[in-house]
Amino acid sequence: SQQGEEDPQALSIQEGENATMNCSYKTSINNLQWYRQNSGRGLVHLILIRSNEREKHSGRLRVTLDTSKKSSSLLITASRAADTASYFCATSITGANSKLTFGKGITLSVRP
Amino acid sequence: GAVVSQHPSWVICKSGTSVKIECRSLDFQATTMFWYRQFPKQSLMLMATSNEGSKATYEQGVEKDKFLINHASLTLSTLTVTSAHPEDSSFYICSAPPLAGGADTQYFGPGTRLTVL
Repeated sequence: SQQGEEDPQALSIQEGENATMNCSYKTSINNLQWYRQNSGRGLVHLILIRSNEREKHSGRLRVTLDTSKKSSSLLITASRAADTASYFCATSITGANSKLTFGKGITLSVRP
Repeated sequence: GAVVSQHPSWVICKSGTSVKIECRSLDFQATTMFWYRQFPKQSLMLMATSNEGSKATYEQGVEKDKFLINHASLTLSTLTVTSAHPEDSSFYICSAPPLAGGADTQYFGPGTRLTVL
């Protein structure tokens, strides 16, 4: 069963704008990760945030985690056409030996 | 970074045949590998956990006799789709957490597109 639920399910923005994607989950987690997938390709790991962390940055990416609300957000600043892809959040449940449960995904389109 | 490869990258087969997909960790060892299935425009669904030297652990609803998993070494896991049918057509992706990388680190293969005619 799927743990994460992202919203919106599809997002279309203009190049240069910021893109914010949200993810909610249901159970206690060890960490939450965000991945990107280009059409028909494998997954690229973007960023991981642990359950005891609230915010993390990596380049143009900013991820937040609110364990009280069981939610996370991924912000991509100054988006580029190359950011067009599907984005998934995935949770690792405490004690589950790295098994990841993926959300449904968000399709991001960045218009040049 | 660590690399996971999959072979083949795509395969087309006739209904009723069996197809083997390989997942290799190229520069690290992994006692555990995960197999996911992804239907078009959907998310990844975990099928099974492949354990080196022991039986795989299957998720609820996944037929272990249909999806045979073998993890014969610390760098190779195989998924065999037996008696494939059109509904098995999907994108199969493996992942592996390195032995030395801690439980959080996981690397994904590029996926195998299976089309059953």
